[in-house]
Amino acid sequence: NAGVTQTPKFQVLKTGQSMTLQCAQDMNHEYMSWYRQDPGMGLRLIHYSVGAGITDQGEVPNGYNVSRSTTEDFPLRLLSAAPSQTSVYFCASRDMNTEAFFGQGTRLTVV
Amino acid sequence: AQSVAQPEDQVNVAEGNPLTVKCTYSVSGNPYLFWYVQYPNRGLQFLLKYITGDNLVKGSYGFEAEFNKSQTSFHLKKPSALVSDSALYFCAVRALNQAGTALIFGKGTTLSVSS
Repeated sequence: NAGVTQTPKFQVLKTGQSMTLQCAQDMNHEYMSWYRQDPGMGLRLIHYSVGAGITDQGEVPNGYNVSRSTTEDFPLRLLSAAPSQTSVYFCASRDMNTEAFFGQGTRLTVV
Repeated sequence: AQSVAQPEDQVNVAEGNPLTVKCTYSVSGNPYLFWYVQYPNRGLQFLLKYITGDNLVKGSYGFEAEFNKSQTSFHLKKPSALVSDSALYFCAVRALNQAGTALIFGKGTTLSVSS
């Protein structure tokens, strides 16, 4: 059972480039979320989804887009990367009354 | 709005001594509370959760947490610390009656256990 899979694990982007961070879960969870982790800031919620076709903004949504076309996948798009988006990104999924399960993270550097 | 406070950036304890990592929360209605641990360059691992019932919750690796509704706290505890417990610990909360909301995390507390 793979759980939550994030790709890539590492990425270096130039300012202004775009990319998509992939997240897939095989637990049939309805709820999925994206967080970014920065030193001293903890995990901050970027976007989340309560099911296919439904997304909402979290605490720090600017510069990021999401969509949820299937239950399994919840990609995070950076349309024009900025150095301030250098961070470690975590995807998580959960069922209604379970804990959240996390992927191993994507370490993104924007130069 | 939901929020979590972890008042200590770092907790230092000697191996064999008891440890406490503090967490207070704010949420509308009843809380659904969690503790996670993160080892270097790894994802977050679930330790334990509180929904309802007994205020003392037992979790993985000998950890437990005490829910205190009047103090809106959910402190993580372990009777005897191990060097291998050294890691970053996160407290998280969501409102129990708002299933569609995501977990909100504290800033994390680094636990350092010395031998």
